[in-house]
Amino acid sequence: GNSVTQMEGPVTLSEEAFLTINCTYTATGYPSLFWYVQYPGEGLQLLLKATKADDKGSNKGFEATYRKETTSFHLEKGSVQVSDSAVYFCALSTVIYNQGGKLIFGQGTELSVKP
Amino acid sequence: NAGVTQTPKFQVLKTGQSMTLQCAQDMNHEYMSWYRQDPGMGLRLIHYSVGAGITDQGEVPNGYNVSRSTTEDFPLRLLSAAPSQTSVYFCASSYSGKLITDTQYFGPGTRLTVL
Repeated sequence: GNSVTQMEGPVTLSEEAFLTINCTYTATGYPSLFWYVQYPGEGLQLLLKATKADDKGSNKGFEATYRKETTSFHLEKGSVQVSDSAVYFCALSTVIYNQGGKLIFGQGTELSVKP
Repeated sequence: NAGVTQTPKFQVLKTGQSMTLQCAQDMNHEYMSWYRQDPGMGLRLIHYSVGAGITDQGEVPNGYNVSRSTTEDFPLRLLSAAPSQTSVYFCASSYSGKLITDTQYFGPGTRLTVL
């Protein structure tokens, strides 16, 4: 079946450090891939997405590349800030016959950035 | 433009009680869905709707009912609350659930505790 696996957290970094959060997926067909972010006490919001192989999604200094050969969509940022502290969810969407696209989420990775 | 709104923000129920979680969106989105978020498990799909009058089950539908009489509203009903339903519930919407590239927009969540 379809599934998403993320690296476990929590991840604790100092400000200006380099961030990588690993995400791998299993899916039939050609899914779209997403990173959502959840700030404390809030709902999820889209951070970036990629809809086909080799696409790179980017937003707010974060980026991730859709790698079909390794079934991965790792999230990276060159220099994190305290304001990036949040929970990050990797997700995929793939068509299920007659049911449209549904999001399947990884378990989430909590990031804490210290000054 | 309020986006996706949910009420209440917090709720405490006793085992066996029933209640309805409200969700509304003002973006004229066809697709709406309900997720529950539990620690270490990401978000899991409860029910979804691809348009007014059409609903279907997701991954964890037992103990929940939904209906979609209008495009804007998608209430989630707990028929007889159980402690296993203690969770944070998110409503989401997207323009069309038929497109796997669509971004889903999330409400702020309802934190439910069942004693």
